[in-house]
Amino acid sequence: DIVMTQSPDSVAVSLGERATINCKSSQSVLSSSNNKNYLAWFQQKPGQPPKLLIYWASTRELGVPNRFSGSGSGTDFTLTISSLQPEDVAVYYCHQYYDTPWTFGQGTKVEVK
Amino acid sequence: QVQLQESGPGLVRPSQTLSLTCTVSGDSINSGDFSWTWLRQPPGKGLEWIGSIYYSGSPYYTPSLKSRLTISVDTSKNQFSLKLSSVTAADTAVYYCARAFPALDYWGQGTLVTVSS
Repeated sequence: DIVMTQSPDSVAVSLGERATINCKSSQSVLSSSNNKNYLAWFQQKPGQPPKLLIYWASTRELGVPNRFSGSGSGTDFTLTISSLQPEDVAVYYCHQYYDTPWTFGQGTKVEVK
Repeated sequence: QVQLQESGPGLVRPSQTLSLTCTVSGDSINSGDFSWTWLRQPPGKGLEWIGSIYYSGSPYYTPSLKSRLTISVDTSKNQFSLKLSSVTAADTAVYYCARAFPALDYWGQGTLVTVSS
């Protein structure tokens, strides 16, 4: 199985400041056939299903604010919230869909400082 | 607008079979490009992929549940379903159905299934 490890487990950021979440996979999720990273980021608020923010490591889902951005390749990835808003308080998960069993990081809780 | 809705019992007795159905609207489950997926989330914990199925192919199951798991598609009803046998308290979770293309872009609201006597 591909193990996904996020850091930190939680982060507190002032409103308007940058939040950064890291995700490391135990093996590469970059496909040599199409040069795409099979890595997604989700946001989950209490009582709600996860919401897709980013796929292919850096492609923003339609309707997702441009303060959310994804970067990285191979085994190391980052989700950045450029200017934290109150509605961004949530748990964020990275997820690999390169190989079954699909796996998720343990989650990073983002709070307001 | 694609919508998915889980349905099924909220309480299952230990050793019994957990059965859930996901009804898809706004999209055809026959669409060959999508896989239809079940996931779960124990209370206060992270996300676990259970398995996925394309309408025309064999399902993919997570190894830890494979011996107890069946995922199937009913194209006539535009539904897919999950059956998990011999459940224990460890199977208590919110169960989600979702569409994958291939990232998981549409999710149901989730349904809490409690395993208890």
